[in-house]
Amino acid sequence: KQEVTQIPAALSVPEGENLVLNCSFTDSAIYNLQWFRQDPGKGLTSLLLIQSSQREQTSGRLNASLDKSSGRSTLYIAASQPGDSATYLCAVGPLFSGNTGKLIFGQGTTLQVKP
Amino acid sequence: DTGVSQDPRHKITKRGQNVTFRCDPISEHNRLYWYRQTLGQGPEFLTYFQNEAQLEKSRLLSDRFSAERPKGSFSTLEIQRTEQGDSAMYLCASSLGPSANTGELFFGEGSRLTVL
Repeated sequence: KQEVTQIPAALSVPEGENLVLNCSFTDSAIYNLQWFRQDPGKGLTSLLLIQSSQREQTSGRLNASLDKSSGRSTLYIAASQPGDSATYLCAVGPLFSGNTGKLIFGQGTTLQVKP
Repeated sequence: DTGVSQDPRHKITKRGQNVTFRCDPISEHNRLYWYRQTLGQGPEFLTYFQNEAQLEKSRLLSDRFSAERPKGSFSTLEIQRTEQGDSAMYLCASSLGPSANTGELFFGEGSRLTVL
């Protein structure tokens, strides 16, 4: 059974710092991996999607990497800003599910960026 | 608005009542998903549709839950005889069909259910 873990559960950093959020998964047979952002009481915003054949994806100050063999993904945020404060969720699409969109989520890392 | 739309955003009901949530997906997306998220947890898959066909249901979806997508456009999720354990955020998402689908999901703002 695929399990997704995100550590730490919460993180507080000063503005301007570069930071890394971690995601690990137990089964390397994945179709894709997606990072989301969630503001309090809101829905999920897609940040980056990495297909199983890719090693990384970049969007602006965000860079996500994928290492299937070790069951890890990282989300790198450069030059953090207070507006980056949110919960970041990692979700894995199992290979057996194909592109059905049946994702397995971690519990998230809640990030606070202090001015 | 071209995003996924959900209604209502918040519903408070008494135990035993029925509630219905509506989701309007992104217009060109023919796949639609329902997820449930409880406080402090990641979302959990409930069910998904391709056009009007419901292709998969999670074991989390008890007999009191029913989802429909009659014309392959909007979807409804009904919960009958609500229980306090049903209190959660119900999230809808959509994606492109299988021929063009990278598997990327786009979520709505969610419908928060509080059962008293």
